[in-house]
Amino acid sequence: AQSVTQLDSQVPVFEEAPVELRCNYSSSVSVYLFWYVQYPNQGLQLLLKYLSGSTLVKGINGFEAEFNKSQTSFHLRKPSVHISDTAEYFCAVTKFGNEKLTFGTGTRLTIIP
Amino acid sequence: DAGVIQSPRHEVTEMGQEVTLRCKPISGHNSLFWYRQTMMRGLELLIYFNNNVPIDDSGMPEDRFSAKMPNASFSTLKIQPSEPRDSAVYFCASSPGTATNEKLFFGSGTQLSVL
Repeated sequence: AQSVTQLDSQVPVFEEAPVELRCNYSSSVSVYLFWYVQYPNQGLQLLLKYLSGSTLVKGINGFEAEFNKSQTSFHLRKPSVHISDTAEYFCAVTKFGNEKLTFGTGTRLTIIP
Repeated sequence: DAGVIQSPRHEVTEMGQEVTLRCKPISGHNSLFWYRQTMMRGLELLIYFNNNVPIDDSGMPEDRFSAKMPNASFSTLKIQPSEPRDSAVYFCASSPGTATNEKLFFGSGTQLSVL
């Protein structure tokens, strides 16, 4: 079965600074990888996804992530964060044909003015 | 489109009572998922349906939990009897395809508190 690990439960970052949120996965087969964002008191929204092709994936709100098969990682990055990026970010994994999307435990991103 | 609609937004009940959570998926979506979110365990998939048929309920905690999808536009998650450890946010999500390599659309969740 596949699983995903988000090592950082909380990440504080100054406004306009860059940020990287880490995600590592484990699976014996090829996987699909996702990043979802949850703003306070809301459901999750898809930021970006990697299915195949280019390993650098661009998403909404200026976020991007890079799939690294050798390191089994899918880290999320943004070059300059804003106050509005304050939210919880979830990495998720599944495999082709499998309905079950497995989420990580989440990383709470706090932007410091 | 109004998105995935869940009701109620908040539910406070006493231990032993029956609780029913409701979900209306996005029209035309084939798959529906129930997730539970807690601080301790994060997001857990409880059950998912494909074309109204339950496919995998291995995440349902115990027999006190049951879910139904009588038609393509409605699903319920029932807890009977409820216990304090069931307190969590319950999310419903739907997807247009039959595989979750597509986008999941989440509702705003139901905050359940069992006293």
